[in-house]
Amino acid sequence: AQKITQTQPGMFVQEKEAVTLDCTYDTSDQSYGLFWYKQPSSGEMIFLIYQGSYDEQNATEGRYSLNFQKARKSANLVISASQLGDSAMYFCAMRGSVFSRGGKLIFGQGTELSVKP
Amino acid sequence: KAGVTQTPRYLIKTRGQQVTLSCSPISGHRSVSWYQQTPGQGLQFLFEYFSETQRNKGNFPGRFSGRQFSNSRSEMNVSTLELGDSALYLCASSLGRELADTQYFGPGTRLTVL
Repeated sequence: AQKITQTQPGMFVQEKEAVTLDCTYDTSDQSYGLFWYKQPSSGEMIFLIYQGSYDEQNATEGRYSLNFQKARKSANLVISASQLGDSAMYFCAMRGSVFSRGGKLIFGQGTELSVKP
Repeated sequence: KAGVTQTPRYLIKTRGQQVTLSCSPISGHRSVSWYQQTPGQGLQFLFEYFSETQRNKGNFPGRFSGRQFSNSRSEMNVSTLELGDSALYLCASSLGRELADTQYFGPGTRLTVL
């Protein structure tokens, strides 16, 4: 079975500092994708970054980077230079091969990030 | 390019009623997935449609059903509503062909069952 674990229910970070949100996963698939989404209080899920299981380089998208450690089955999100607008819930999600699992995303429980001025 | 739209945004129903939610995907996307989000259970996958066919289904009772039309728009129906069906229902669209195809979410429909 596939599973995503986010062990930090809530985190605080000072504005302009970097923060790491943890995500570990479990899957028997050889090919899989890992996604991070941000959900502000408005409710809409915003895609942040993607990492494929066969990607050799860690993904980066602007201030977001993904620290992917395949052997440890972890895919931590790093946000550099935090901004007040980064305050939101952050979800780690995984998807197996499209052929066997279609578009089904498995989500973790989320981490609520609060950025302090 | 217009994003994913969901209607209605808010719904209040009573137990035993049925409800239909609608989702219009991003133009060109053939996959639409539905998720239920509650404080207790988090985000749970309901089902996915690709080119009018249900491609995957989560562990929800048969009261939850869906369909997809030829223009990729999708509807989700919940019959005989229960209090526990109160949730934020999110739909997401993607190209649906490859692992890296990102799912883009709509703003959600917040359903309250009284």
